Amino acid sequence: EAQVTQNPRYLITVTGKKLTVTCSQNMNHEYMSWYRQDPGLGLRQIYYSMNVEVTDKGDVPEGYKVSRKEKRNFPLILESPSPNQTSLYFCASSFFAGGYGYTFGSGTRLTVV
Amino acid sequence: QQQVKQSPQSLIVQKGGISIINCAYENTAFDYFPWYQQFPGKGPALLIAIRPDVSEKKEGRFTISFNKSAKQFSLHIMDSQPGDSATYFCAAIPILTGGGNKLTFGTGTQLKVEL
Repeated sequence: EAQVTQNPRYLITVTGKKLTVTCSQNMNHEYMSWYRQDPGLGLRQIYYSMNVEVTDKGDVPEGYKVSRKEKRNFPLILESPSPNQTSLYFCASSFFAGGYGYTFGSGTRLTVV
Repeated sequence: QQQVKQSPQSLIVQKGGISIINCAYENTAFDYFPWYQQFPGKGPALLIAIRPDVSEKKEGRFTISFNKSAKQFSLHIMDSQPGDSATYFCAAIPILTGGGNKLTFGTGTQLKVEL
């Protein structure tokens, strides 16, 4: 089954404790992206990747890092999480650049206390 | 700068009624307009999409109406059912026109269909 897999689904952490949210896709997509979803703000892009070793900032990149060492994986790293990063996070991938035809993961609900 | 404005933020419709969600855009380079449906605990999934060379696209109970001159498009859900209760996002992207194509989302509409 074609899918984007995120882990974990739920995560509660403390301020300043580094964490990584994993994302993997099995569709051989070149374009991958991370979004955060907040009430009233919709989906905001954090980072995206056009291909292996090619990443760039989205609209809200502050406090986040990403890497793309393999085509299928695109982890999101929070090196020093803060409470304002409490949110619902989605990884997405698409064959075409920019997100045309996105497939989304099921989401990671992160709470930073 | 919000390039796609979506309204209303929330909507309650009676079963069998028509749900209408509106979006307006500013960037005339946008040439593909998808709608995504998101159920609780799930990621958004593509529902229906339209290109600006047509004014309407219908798939089952879901219809997109597109007004290029007004730079507006809307989603109509006919005969709304409780199973349609979800969050709906409109979006837009410039594909053929280039310009650093990136999908831009509206802020979402939470639809509840009551019995």
